[in-house]
Amino acid sequence: SAVISQKPSRDICQRGTSLTIQCQVDSQVTMMFWYRQQPGQSLTLIATANQGSEATYESGFVIDKFPISRPNLTFSTLTVSNMSPEDSSIYLCSVGTSGSDEQYFGPGTRLTVT
Amino acid sequence: KQEVTQIPAALSVPEGENLVLNCSFTDSAIYNLQWFRQDPGKGLTSLLLIQSSQREQTSGRLNASLDKSSGRSTLYIAASQPGDSATYLCAVIPPKGTGNQFYFGTGTSLTVIP
Repeated sequence: SAVISQKPSRDICQRGTSLTIQCQVDSQVTMMFWYRQQPGQSLTLIATANQGSEATYESGFVIDKFPISRPNLTFSTLTVSNMSPEDSSIYLCSVGTSGSDEQYFGPGTRLTVT
Repeated sequence: KQEVTQIPAALSVPEGENLVLNCSFTDSAIYNLQWFRQDPGKGLTSLLLIQSSQREQTSGRLNASLDKSSGRSTLYIAASQPGDSATYLCAVIPPKGTGNQFYFGTGTSLTVIP
């Protein structure tokens, strides 16, 4: 398994601002993913963070709104840009390790936009 | 598109009772299925991974079964304890090469009453 940490754990932000969420893994991993969980909803994949290239975004999510960086095999960031109250969610980082089909999740970042 | 449903949405049982959580999915062409636990405001903890060639997996008091042909999985919790109170999510993992999207159900919120 992998141990994943996220910063910040929670934040309250004003409309129109941006927040960058960090995800750190204790070992090198091939795959890193960013999910969103809106209130009362299940998880939806935002994008796959690719090391050394642009992230791969799922339908309904765009790079201008959710820019992602992945500078190495243990770290990634997700930025939520020009926030609105609809962006209030828990944002979760997850990883997949080589040789395992499981995904492991970080503790999440609870974002509230006022 | 794969759709995952979990029934019931909420369940309340007295301590010590055995219980079953249900997960159904519309497309039987899955790779694996994973059960998670989510505590309020927190990230996801992986409980069990069932590969498509398996019919069940066991870990302690938990037993998960998979019937691909009928599009169903169940999570059996024996001798429930108050510490089992959480939301339980199932996620269907698509076949390799078809994308990274895990398809999550909306979860079953379990309360175990002391």
